[in-house]
Amino acid sequence: AQSVSQHNHHVILSEAASLELGCNYSYGGTVNLFWYVQYPGQHLQLLLKYFSGDPLVKGIKGFEAEFIKSKFSFNLRKPSVQWSDTAEYFCAVNAGDMRFGAGTRLTVKP
Amino acid sequence: DAGVTQSPTHLIKTRGQQVTLRCSPISGHKSVSWYQQVLGQGPQFIFQYYEKEERGRGNFPDRFSARQFPNYSSELNVNALLLGDSALYLCASSLLGGHSNQPQHFGDGTRLSIL
Repeated sequence: AQSVSQHNHHVILSEAASLELGCNYSYGGTVNLFWYVQYPGQHLQLLLKYFSGDPLVKGIKGFEAEFIKSKFSFNLRKPSVQWSDTAEYFCAVNAGDMRFGAGTRLTVKP
Repeated sequence: DAGVTQSPTHLIKTRGQQVTLRCSPISGHKSVSWYQQVLGQGPQFIFQYYEKEERGRGNFPDRFSARQFPNYSSELNVNALLLGDSALYLCASSLLGGHSNQPQHFGDGTRLSIL
């Protein structure tokens, strides 16, 4: 069965710091990859997605993610975080049905 | 445009009772999925329905059941409630189901508390 691992449970950064959140999945076939964000008190929202083509995908709010097939990874990055990026971030894999990682809580200090 | 709507927003039940949660997908979306999110964890897949047929089922006991109606809305039923069923239940809709590159759009969830 497919599974998704997010390495960091809680990340604390200062504003303007760079961000990288790790995500690895275990599935050998074709997958569709997603990052979702959940701001405090809000529902899950799509940040970005990868289906095929350029392995570096850009999403909303300056986020990007790189798909590395050989490493089964889909890490999320942002060059400079803002206080408003404080949220919970979930990596998800869809190979028939959507499976989520446990999430990474990001706290950005002003 | 209305997003995914779920009702009720909060629900309190006691052990052994039964509960029905409801979900209306975004207009035009034909697939509905249900997830259970326990505090501190990611959403866990329960069911996916597409065109009124079950297309996927997660690792949940038979106490959990669901159905999709002709208008694509859906209900999730949980029988013989246990304390461990306390969670946020999320509904998500997408245009298509199955091995799909369609992103899912989530509702705000139903917070179920079991006493």
